[in-house]
Amino acid sequence: EVQLVESGGDLIQPGGSLRLSCAASGFDFNNFEMNWARQAPGKGLEWLSYISGGSNVIQYADSVKGRFTISRDNAKNSLYLQMNSLRSEDTALYYCVAGGWHYFDYWGRGTLVTVSS
Amino acid sequence: DVVMTQSPLSLPVTLGQPASISCRSSQSLVYSDGNTYLIWFQQRPGQSPRRLIYNVSKRHSGVPDRFSGSGSGTDFTLKISRVEAEDVGVYYCMQGAHWPLTFGGGTKVEIK
Repeated sequence: EVQLVESGGDLIQPGGSLRLSCAASGFDFNNFEMNWARQAPGKGLEWLSYISGGSNVIQYADSVKGRFTISRDNAKNSLYLQMNSLRSEDTALYYCVAGGWHYFDYWGRGTLVTVSS
Repeated sequence: DVVMTQSPLSLPVTLGQPASISCRSSQSLVYSDGNTYLIWFQQRPGQSPRRLIYNVSKRHSGVPDRFSGSGSGTDFTLKISRVEAEDVGVYYCMQGAHWPLTFGGGTKVEIK
């Protein structure tokens, strides 16, 4: 069974940094493309970032480019999102999504990031 | 960026009756490999999204066959043949053909 468990969400002040993690199991993580997406409270879905299985292809949404960095550790079956220069508009539930950018196969349960002073 | 426009915003339906959701893209979703990358997700209240349909019309494993997807180019439809109580939630389309990936605004399905 595919499992994606996000962690690292917290209450953080504007301008601060946070690192999200996603622990994956139940599939061949090494060969699976991965994504991060988010959902602001009461709002719709927004794609944030993509990383290929070998980390050689990475893409970002304009809203986070230059502030967020996606990475993965295939030996640990883990995906990460380093978030810097956080803003109030980054407040959202952050989801780890397994699957290529054409497919978006599986979603985790999300981890909540609240940016507020 | 490709704009995904869903309609209606809200869809009250009677149990056992059909339902249909439209999704239109501002550009063709036919990729250079010839495939059309349009995905439908269901988000039940309090849950994370789950994929229902990919490549316009292919059902994700375990998805009931009352859900079907159709369309081509820029015009797509998700149909529920007979709505059940467990189908309540918000439905999103997403395009996986162009960077950045973009979602529709969502359609809330509720029981009358």
